[in-house]
Amino acid sequence: TAGITQAPTSQILAAGRSMTLRCTQDMRHNAMYWYRQDLGLGLRLIHYSNTAGTTGKGEVPDGYSVSRANTDDFPLTLASAVPSQTSVYFCASSPGQGSTDTQYFGPGTRLTVL
Amino acid sequence: GQNIDQPTEMTATEGAIVQINCTYQTSGFNGLFWYQQHAGEAPTFLSYNVLDGLEEKGRFSSFLSRSKGYSYLLLKELQMKDSASYLCAIMDSNYQLIWGAGTKLIIKP
Repeated sequence: TAGITQAPTSQILAAGRSMTLRCTQDMRHNAMYWYRQDLGLGLRLIHYSNTAGTTGKGEVPDGYSVSRANTDDFPLTLASAVPSQTSVYFCASSPGQGSTDTQYFGPGTRLTVL
Repeated sequence: GQNIDQPTEMTATEGAIVQINCTYQTSGFNGLFWYQQHAGEAPTFLSYNVLDGLEEKGRFSSFLSRSKGYSYLLLKELQMKDSASYLCAIMDSNYQLIWGAGTKLIIKP
């Protein structure tokens, strides 16, 4: 199985433009997550979804939105990108909702906002 | 507040043993995870501890002391491929992971 895939691998985006980062998992996991990883900082949770149809805000949700129309897909949208959103974005999933299940990560999207 | 501390960088020799420490302060605790992350790649799961004590898994072991807010990851018989960052993460009372900044481990021949 592919596990978790993310697209694009990398992107350069002009400030003020919108963009959607795609994330798809084929493991039928209930929970999905979006993190950003910046040098010198730990992974920070942007948004999460415990099950299809529900979403929640993480530690750094401002400037980002998500949707969870089905089990497999969890897109992250930047409505109007700013340079501080330059980061590496990881999508992750775990089998359960509200559980201690291990999270499995996608390969990441490297985003540069100029 | 919540805080997780790990050394920024460590260096060790191939074939040796290295211990990577993690100390934490959190408002809730549902376990501690260790992940490995090679440069430019995704984090991958190494271990999970929720009870005090040592969990051994091949060359890697992880220890937890909840009363001291302390964990370590022990890597034995180091190989060059172990050069990576090692991330400590606490699962809080809402089952969300709070991550440390990671420890970059450099292995020298």
